[in-house]
Amino acid sequence: DSGVTQTPKHLITATGQRVTLRCSPRSGDLSVYWYQQSLDQGLQFLIQYYNGEERAKGNILERFSAQQFPDLHSELNLSSLELGDSALYFCASSVGWQETQYFGPGTRLLVL
Amino acid sequence: AQSVAQPEDQVNVAEGNPLTVKCTYSVSGNPYLFWYVQYPNRGLQFLLKYITGDNLVKGSYGFEAEFNKSQTSFHLKKPSALVSDSALYFCAVQGAGGGNKLTFGTGTQLKVEL
Repeated sequence: DSGVTQTPKHLITATGQRVTLRCSPRSGDLSVYWYQQSLDQGLQFLIQYYNGEERAKGNILERFSAQQFPDLHSELNLSSLELGDSALYFCASSVGWQETQYFGPGTRLLVL
Repeated sequence: AQSVAQPEDQVNVAEGNPLTVKCTYSVSGNPYLFWYVQYPNRGLQFLLKYITGDNLVKGSYGFEAEFNKSQTSFHLKKPSALVSDSALYFCAVQGAGGGNKLTFGTGTQLKVEL
């Protein structure tokens, strides 16, 4: 158990809908990262927050957004969902800059 | 841009034999290199990392990795494989000057058979 928690574990929804994925980092970690794992794209970095501020952006679609709250938990919002958004979404956390990232168990999203 | 290559989709090894999972990388500056393991329906578990120093890095569960700067490689090794080591292994690189994001390889499925 890495100490990073993600909810929900599974999510099934329809195209066009909007969902929110939640992540709680390890105690004391200030950085939160979001990654997407899909069969065709592999593991891809989406976005990073550090102590409430966005620090880096990867291949994140405009339909996706994220935020980190004062209690350091983070949410990833996915809107106007498409079939291709079906994937495993991981959250990771680290103490600070360029420290080891510890991953949560992931949220498996299925868009029908 | 940074990248990682894992040339083998699958590696098969008999239990008790040594195993090697290959990884090569491309990054500007000094690399930070990582190995993670993913078991079915689980998240990625951190195994080990190389930042600087000794080229042989020891990690969890008896795994180690050898950093070779001239060959830009970071191969994962274990002297004696166990059936329970069967899983999907990912190599990742983090550029020293490129921010925190991890760039992952495509993964290598390790199958350890009796």
